[in-house]
Amino acid sequence: EAGVAQSPRYKIIEKRQSVAFWCNPISGHATLYWYQQILGQGPKLLIQFQNNGVVDDSQLPKDRFSAERLKGVDSTLKIQPAKLEDSAVYLCASSLGRATNYGYTFGSGTRLTVV
Amino acid sequence: GENVEQHPSTLSVQEGDSAVIKCTYSDSASNYFPWYKQELGKGPQLIIDIRSNVGEKKDQRIAVTLNKTAKHFSLHITETQPEDSAVYFCAAVYSGGGADGLTFGKGTHLIIQP
Repeated sequence: EAGVAQSPRYKIIEKRQSVAFWCNPISGHATLYWYQQILGQGPKLLIQFQNNGVVDDSQLPKDRFSAERLKGVDSTLKIQPAKLEDSAVYLCASSLGRATNYGYTFGSGTRLTVV
Repeated sequence: GENVEQHPSTLSVQEGDSAVIKCTYSDSASNYFPWYKQELGKGPQLIIDIRSNVGEKKDQRIAVTLNKTAKHFSLHITETQPEDSAVYFCAAVYSGGGADGLTFGKGTHLIIQP
């Protein structure tokens, strides 16, 4: 079974620029999550999708962050404009259904550096 | 919302000794508690989990204990090996609703000394 695919692996941008990350979950996984992991901290949930609908985006900074999962498969996370404090690893995770029953599978993440 | 505290931030043990990492959570409704291992450049990988209807769970050298009254849970690794060196995260979530994103602790960097 292929894992959760994320791209790019690394991205360096200047502050105020925009950036987008892409996630391809495991085939058949209905639930998809985006997490932000700042260096030295645990991952923090940004948004949860069930198929193409948003379940929880309460911690997403909506003034600059947006995410979509148009066909219930791939997802993109966008930051516009980026700030220095957005430097982090952005992790995508997916689950077959309710994650506490089926488990969460994480991708390797995209490391963003904002200079 | 949920808040998870994790201690210690760094733990160094001799190879073959045991390691214990402790976490506390704030939301008494949380009922699912996984532990993840994260190696450099990789995403978190589940190593063991426990649900609130169970007090202890063991898988070979790894065990987790849960005290619901005190709202804390611990990871125990016995007979540590060099490949156990990594960052370990505890997490908590209430699984009864639609939203089931995890709240993570800040992590413990486990160092196994040869």
